[in-house]
Amino acid sequence: QQQVKQSPQSLIVQKGGISIINCAYENTAFDYFPWYQQFPGKGPALLIAIRPDVSEKKEGRFTISFNKSAKQFSLHIMDSQPGDSATYFCAAKAGTALIFGKGTTLSVSS
Amino acid sequence: GAGVSQSPRYKVAKRGQDVALRCDPISGHVSLFWYQQALGQGPEFLTYFQNEAQLDKSGLPSDRFFAERPEGSVSTLKIQRTQQEDSAVYLCASSLAPGTINTEAFFGQGTRLTVV
Repeated sequence: QQQVKQSPQSLIVQKGGISIINCAYENTAFDYFPWYQQFPGKGPALLIAIRPDVSEKKEGRFTISFNKSAKQFSLHIMDSQPGDSATYFCAAKAGTALIFGKGTTLSVSS
Repeated sequence: GAGVSQSPRYKVAKRGQDVALRCDPISGHVSLFWYQQALGQGPEFLTYFQNEAQLDKSGLPSDRFFAERPEGSVSTLKIQRTQQEDSAVYLCASSLAPGTINTEAFFGQGTRLTVV
């Protein structure tokens, strides 16, 4: 049973474009929704996070949109750059453990 | 150190061997987590420590997996009688506050275990 479903599996975006990654969840007990960025050979690093009482959070070029009624949240990367090429994971938390999606590999072409 | 440190970075084990993976969390961090990341997948939770107490081990896949954090800082994940399906990257993460509070978890670079 996959508690957090992430799509797409891979994404190619032109430099300067908008990257959009989507996640859906079932467990309404989740109360913390972070996005992690992972480069090859590195551990995941927190990018941005949101709590369910907020519908949107923006940090620089990164924005989380959260739809509590639909149980969906998404990551938007504005003005995507080649340095953003990495694997992105959404996650959700209820209690102690983060539950991760399967990841999206983003390639930003120059 | 400035971040979470894991050793070794790479480990090749013959099937049936025992392995021990080490995690040095960020100094002062109360919470410590172990995750397993299979190739092309997201990390999956294994176990959680609050200081030296192992409060959640629900993700450990079998009784061959054992974790400890005896002094509330360094942690070791031990896998006995390794099997090929144990091949994965093992990630350690730590956070300042107890795990039920939504604070940032900092991940190490992981140990890539290959069982041959």
